[in-house]
Amino acid sequence: AQKVTQAQTEISVVEKEDVTLDCVYETRDTTYYLFWYKQPPSGELVFLIRRNSFDEQNEISGRYSWNFQKSTSSFNFTITASQVVDSAVYFCALSEHQMTTDSWGKLQFGAGTQVVVTP
Amino acid sequence: KAGVTQTPRYLIKTRGQQVTLSCSPISGHRSVSWYQQTPGQGLQFLFEYFSETQRNKGNFPGRFSGRQFSNSRSEMNVSTLELGDSALYLCASSLSHSYEQYFGPGTRLTVT
Repeated sequence: AQKVTQAQTEISVVEKEDVTLDCVYETRDTTYYLFWYKQPPSGELVFLIRRNSFDEQNEISGRYSWNFQKSTSSFNFTITASQVVDSAVYFCALSEHQMTTDSWGKLQFGAGTQVVVTP
Repeated sequence: KAGVTQTPRYLIKTRGQQVTLSCSPISGHRSVSWYQQTPGQGLQFLFEYFSETQRNKGNFPGRFSGRQFSNSRSEMNVSTLELGDSALYLCASSLSHSYEQYFGPGTRLTVT
């Protein structure tokens, strides 16, 4: 079963518009981590943010902000005043604790959202 | 600090052959994870290594294997290649198993 759902396949915006990416996750754990990664055309996944399940405080980091709501199992990500360099595929990911090996190292990714920013 | 490096960056193999991909983590990182990315299946977890021990494994056949060396460098091997193994193979490293993972540029494998 898909644990991380990114319903938006592609979002196209004009430069300087805001972009909000939706992410809905599914887990039975009370402790887990959520991530956002960016994959530009070069292919390398770039780490953006990490949030643990106990920290619902929403923050802003530069042009990035995120909205974590446990009640709706959502972890949305916003790019403010988008730029052409923001064009990439954005992935939401979930990490759950594997008790048998005490491991958090398995990231479960959503399908990704392609963001296209035009000048 | 240098990032995660993966070699080779591109590889073309024939069905039935085997291949070994290499990953050097960020200095000081002890955990290495591998992922396969394909257009159809997206990003899928292969396995995770920490202190030379496999801590977690994804749902891939036994043809996919890996190992980690004492210097934290890791290799993954795919035997008896199939056309469906064509993919971007990404390696990621982290300080430990509960920290954020930093990815390398990937190895693009094409099986013909």
